[in-house]
Amino acid sequence: DVKVTQSSRYLVKRTGEKVFLECVQDMDHENMFWYRQDPGLGLRLIYFSYDVKMKEKGDIPEGYSVSREKKERFSLILESASTNQTSMYLCASSLRRWGYTFGSGTRLTVV
Amino acid sequence: AQSVTQPDIHITVSEGASLELRCNYSYGATPYLFWYVQSPGQGLQLLLKYFSGDTLVQGIKGFEAEFKRSQSSFNLRKPSVHWSDAAEYFCAVGAGYGGSQGNLIFGKGTKLSVKP
Repeated sequence: DVKVTQSSRYLVKRTGEKVFLECVQDMDHENMFWYRQDPGLGLRLIYFSYDVKMKEKGDIPEGYSVSREKKERFSLILESASTNQTSMYLCASSLRRWGYTFGSGTRLTVV
Repeated sequence: AQSVTQPDIHITVSEGASLELRCNYSYGATPYLFWYVQSPGQGLQLLLKYFSGDTLVQGIKGFEAEFKRSQSSFNLRKPSVHWSDAAEYFCAVGAGYGGSQGNLIFGKGTKLSVKP
């Protein structure tokens, strides 16, 4: 089975900190994605990448950046964490159009 | 632009009753359609997918979905709901062309509660 691993299940950070969320997949998938999930808003795409060193903005990229130096790893960076970035963050990977495999999510609280 | 609508935010059914969760999509070409389930505090798990062919697709955990092009719908069904089916369900459509190959657009989800 494809595995998508997110390094932390729960994270608490202070306002203004630089935060790194890591995601690793083990099936050589081309595409990787970062979403945030908030009650009533569903999943909103932050950034995605369809190849190493490639990145595309999603619907809500402001305040975030990403890094994909290796095919299996896709990192989400909060440059200066703010309380409105408190959310559940979901990473996913896919092979072209064949559906996503999701990680278990990271629940980030910014205080 | 592609979009997915799940008209029901929250549904409650009794254990053993049948279930239908609605999904309508907007997409110009033949869509790739998916249903995902999310248990509390977890990531999303793929239940089933439709790419082409038979319009009735079977998935895991006893779920099925029917693609109806004329109604732009892809409704999820289960004949008899179990308490463990309580979760949030997401419908998604594939928008995969050009640089965004494999990009999925998700509905806002339907939360399912199951009464004993």
